[in-house]
Amino acid sequence: GAGVSQSPSNKVTEKGKDVELRCDPISGHTALYWYRQSLGQGLEFLIYFQGNSAPDKSGLPSDRFSAERTGGSVSTLTIQRTQQEDSAVYLCASSRGQNTGELFFGEGSRLTVL
Amino acid sequence: AQSVTQLDSQVPVFEEAPVELRCNYSSSVSVYLFWYVQYPNQGLQLLLKYLSGSTLVESINGFEAEFNKSQTSFHLRKPSVHISDTAEYFCAVRSLTGGFKTIFGAGTRLFVKA
Repeated sequence: GAGVSQSPSNKVTEKGKDVELRCDPISGHTALYWYRQSLGQGLEFLIYFQGNSAPDKSGLPSDRFSAERTGGSVSTLTIQRTQQEDSAVYLCASSRGQNTGELFFGEGSRLTVL
Repeated sequence: AQSVTQLDSQVPVFEEAPVELRCNYSSSVSVYLFWYVQYPNQGLQLLLKYLSGSTLVESINGFEAEFNKSQTSFHLRKPSVHISDTAEYFCAVRSLTGGFKTIFGAGTRLFVKA
């Protein structure tokens, strides 16, 4: 596709349920990033992938959060047993994988946990 | 590890006035520096970046930022703002040697008043 695509754009779920958020990066981009944007908190780094491997998972808030990337393309962020504090906009970005390259962001997935 | 501090959460300014959005970073290694902008109801996009060479970098819409290594700062400036500059601005840092992990600040909301 022309840009980074994220789905769903909006997700409302009940506390304790599992959710999956999907990111389809720009074709050919080898690096993929997940961030969380909460009101007043800016962009919180969660994880990034280089190809299918994740060199840095240090930003994942707890073991309820996991992410995978397959085929060097689509990535899925999974949140198990959601809590109200997980409510946020989850942003995905991709880049060509050059250290000097810019990040191209998707529109985000807004998660609301009731 | 890197960190980014944006000292102002909100900056209100009148149209045609100058503005400076402050950004300080912390890193034990050399870094690349970026400013991203998020216009209302849009995704984040790159505004400008410092990689090497001249410490003063410019964007196509009149913003500029200066890399100051001694003060570990990368402040964003514009001599005369427009209503259309109303947006949230994020400063970001990536180390030269630490892979592609990119850390963002909390953001500064610029509000331009008529």
